[in-house]
Amino acid sequence: QQPVQSPQAVILREGEDAVINCSSSKALYSVHWYRQKHGEAPVFLMILLKGGEQKGHEKISASFNEKKQQSSLYLTASQLSYSGTYFCGTESEVNRDDKIIFGKGTRLHILP
Amino acid sequence: DSGVTQTPKHLITATGQRVTLRCSPRSGDLSVYWYQQSLDQGLQFLIQYYNGEERAKGNILERFSAQQFPDLHSELNLSSLELGDSALYFCASSAGPFNTEAFFGQGTRLTVV
Repeated sequence: QQPVQSPQAVILREGEDAVINCSSSKALYSVHWYRQKHGEAPVFLMILLKGGEQKGHEKISASFNEKKQQSSLYLTASQLSYSGTYFCGTESEVNRDDKIIFGKGTRLHILP
Repeated sequence: DSGVTQTPKHLITATGQRVTLRCSPRSGDLSVYWYQQSLDQGLQFLIQYYNGEERAKGNILERFSAQQFPDLHSELNLSSLELGDSALYFCASSAGPFNTEAFFGQGTRLTVV
């Protein structure tokens, strides 16, 4: 079942913070985050595994709440280069069929 | 450059036709994934191969088929094409059989007219 991402779109000014949420109705084993710029291929950001720690890279970090089947991506002091569509992909714990199901994406636009 | 190569970049074909999309994974990667991306549906997982064997299957239509060859390149065959098959088709690769960091190719844009 496809995870639900919110918000669908967000516009920020450079330097502002953003939070993108991803929720599933099923118990999750892992959550994967990708960013896709217009006209380009998706690029891997991070994976969060059940029982794992919150991950981060510079000003982009993510959390995984296993009990709520939710993940959040945090972009701090956003830069123009953060613009793009962010996808979360989830892997079910129940089936463990190794299928990653992606959400419809959150479009992030950073203004100077 | 992700190291994943997809050909062709663009394809325009008529309804009812058959096309083959090709993907060469990153050097050393054994897993290949195929995704379909349309405007309103995001990334739809189609199928995964690991070292030549089918590993996971998503919502892939019966008109679509794929395989991974001994040299690890993969092909996605789309037949009896319909207008609704128009989309961007991505191939991705990763090192192992389980879902880890995947590297995406630039995609093949298929337009069915």
